[in-house]
Amino acid sequence: DTTVKQNPRYKLARVGKPVNLICSQTMNHDTMYWYQKKPNQAPKLLLFYYDKILNREADTFEKFQSSRPNNSFCSLYIGSAGLEYSAMYLCASSKGLGDAETLYFGSGTRLTVL
Amino acid sequence: GDQVEQSPSALSLHEGTGSALRCNFTTTMRAVQWFQQNSRGSLINLFYLASGTKENGRLKSTFNSKESYSTLHIRDAQLEDSGTYFCAAEQGTGSKLSFGKGAKLTVSP
Repeated sequence: DTTVKQNPRYKLARVGKPVNLICSQTMNHDTMYWYQKKPNQAPKLLLFYYDKILNREADTFEKFQSSRPNNSFCSLYIGSAGLEYSAMYLCASSKGLGDAETLYFGSGTRLTVL
Repeated sequence: GDQVEQSPSALSLHEGTGSALRCNFTTTMRAVQWFQQNSRGSLINLFYLASGTKENGRLKSTFNSKESYSTLHIRDAQLEDSGTYFCAAEQGTGSKLSFGKGAKLTVSP
């Protein structure tokens, strides 16, 4: 099974409320990523876990949190959603870090903040 | 500045015809991936190349690291090929991918 599963498919959130998105993979991949995708823009890397080590991008450091309780699961947490968080959030995984391995993407969660 | 320059940004084809998308890189890249974004917004992996050419059905991709470009050729385009195509390249230090801005392909009857 080479699929990356994301839940939920669509999510509505209120401004100022927390949001938690879930991702899972059963390929025993070491690395799991979260990207934010807005219309007409390239996907933007938010953070990634290599094994148990979290790496967050400098410009999104304070906006997003993540946890990886085990190899298969990874969550993306927004403590207080703002309108600008409305986007598609894509989870991906790869076998290694910096290896010549492909990224496998999930179907995404479309977040709408009202 | 952008490390990945993707062109064209939009392309229209009639069914049965073909064309190519291209990504130029402003720095040496180790590998490139091509994705198709489907109507639901998901990114589908098409190719991963560290060098050379790969072919899958009506799609063919080439990556030339030395000359810093990659291409995605589509032949015999079908209606379901419509969508936005992204290239993404990695420099090799860490696992961050640099994405192009995408190319919107519209295939019409």
